[in-house]
Amino acid sequence: AQSVSQHNHHVILSEAASLELGCNYSYGGTVNLFWYVQYPGQHLQLLLKYFSGDPLVKGIKGFEAEFIKSKFSFNLRKPSVQWSDTAEYFCAVNVDNQGGKLIFGQGTELSVKP
Amino acid sequence: KAGVTQTPRYLIKTRGQQVTLSCSPISGHRSVSWYQQTPGQGLQFLFEYFSETQRNKGNFPGRFSGRQFSNSRSEMNVSTLELGDSALYLCASSLLSGLAGNEQYFGPGTRLTVT
Repeated sequence: AQSVSQHNHHVILSEAASLELGCNYSYGGTVNLFWYVQYPGQHLQLLLKYFSGDPLVKGIKGFEAEFIKSKFSFNLRKPSVQWSDTAEYFCAVNVDNQGGKLIFGQGTELSVKP
Repeated sequence: KAGVTQTPRYLIKTRGQQVTLSCSPISGHRSVSWYQQTPGQGLQFLFEYFSETQRNKGNFPGRFSGRQFSNSRSEMNVSTLELGDSALYLCASSLLSGLAGNEQYFGPGTRLTVT
């Protein structure tokens, strides 16, 4: 069965530190990849997406992610985090024979200290 | 455009009862998916409806069902509620289904508590 794995359960950073959150998926076919963010008390918001083309995708609020097909990875990065980035981050994948079904990773809680 | 709306936002039910949750997708979106979010299991896919047809179903018991109306609004129903059904139920809508540009937009969820 397809699955998504996020390497870190909880990450604590100081403001201005760089961020990289790992995400790996298990599926050998065509995929769409997503990162969603859930700020405290708010609903899930789409941060960025990869459908095809340039494997380096840019999203909102200075986030970017790189799709490495050979590693089945889609890691999220941000050069300099802010306190307002404190949230839970979810990696998700949609595969080519499952309609609109998104398979989510377990989430990574990011805490940014001011 | 208005976002995805879900009603009610909070619900408290007793074991054995049934519940119906409602979701209104973004205008023009034809696909509606439902997810269950719990601290232990994370986000799990329940089912997807596209043009009033169920496209896919997750690994949940038959007590969980749904439907979609001609205006794309969707409802999900849980019968014979169990304590383990306590969760945040999220609805998401997208323009299309499958890989053809299916970025999903989520609603605020319905918090269901079963006592």
